[in-house]
Amino acid sequence: DADVTQTPRNRITKTGKRIMLECSQTKGHDRMYWYRQDPGLGLRLIYYSFDVKDINKGEISDGYSVSRQAQAKFSLSLESAIPNQTALYFCATSDSGQGSDTQYFGPGTRLTVL
Amino acid sequence: QKEVEQDPGPLSVPEGAIVSLNCTYSNSAFQYFMWYRQYSRKGPELLMYTYSSGNKEDGRFTAQVDKSSKYISLFIRDSQPSDSATYLCAMSAPYTGGGNKLTFGTGTQLKVEL
Repeated sequence: DADVTQTPRNRITKTGKRIMLECSQTKGHDRMYWYRQDPGLGLRLIYYSFDVKDINKGEISDGYSVSRQAQAKFSLSLESAIPNQTALYFCATSDSGQGSDTQYFGPGTRLTVL
Repeated sequence: QKEVEQDPGPLSVPEGAIVSLNCTYSNSAFQYFMWYRQYSRKGPELLMYTYSSGNKEDGRFTAQVDKSSKYISLFIRDSQPSDSATYLCAMSAPYTGGGNKLTFGTGTQLKVEL
């Protein structure tokens, strides 16, 4: 079974709709992240959480919100989706006990906003 | 200027060739240097990471870091069609207050032809 899972894997929605993307992990890591990937722009950090009570904005947090429901669960919400939020979204985890803080990624959610 | 620059390719090589993938960077605070492989419609998968200047080898893969030139490379020996993927370099610098921020290159698309 995958260590980092994301649901849904694909989603098509309309402008203005509220969308939630979910991430779960069985790696036992304390840190979790949300990224989006766009062609030519690479991976950009939306939000990150170093533990259940810690939430931090990344470089492109506008239009997004997150919730860390448990150490193993981190969800990303688009309150009112817009077409330029069409992208691949990835959840990642890391272990604060590792000096490198190496991040491990889920399989991604392909989101299309019409 | 981006903090991390990576040639997007695409790079096409025959099976068995030696492949060289490169990134340059401008931020002297970067401490860890990583290479991820991403197959189409999958999440990035960690290949290797290094902490200091020098070489690190893992099977057919060698990662090289030159901090004085702010230049990192990934070499793939005896390339195989299964190596066809997008390769992302990533570099981490510490956040104030703990943890590390990863900055990604945009990725180089590699195709190994039979």
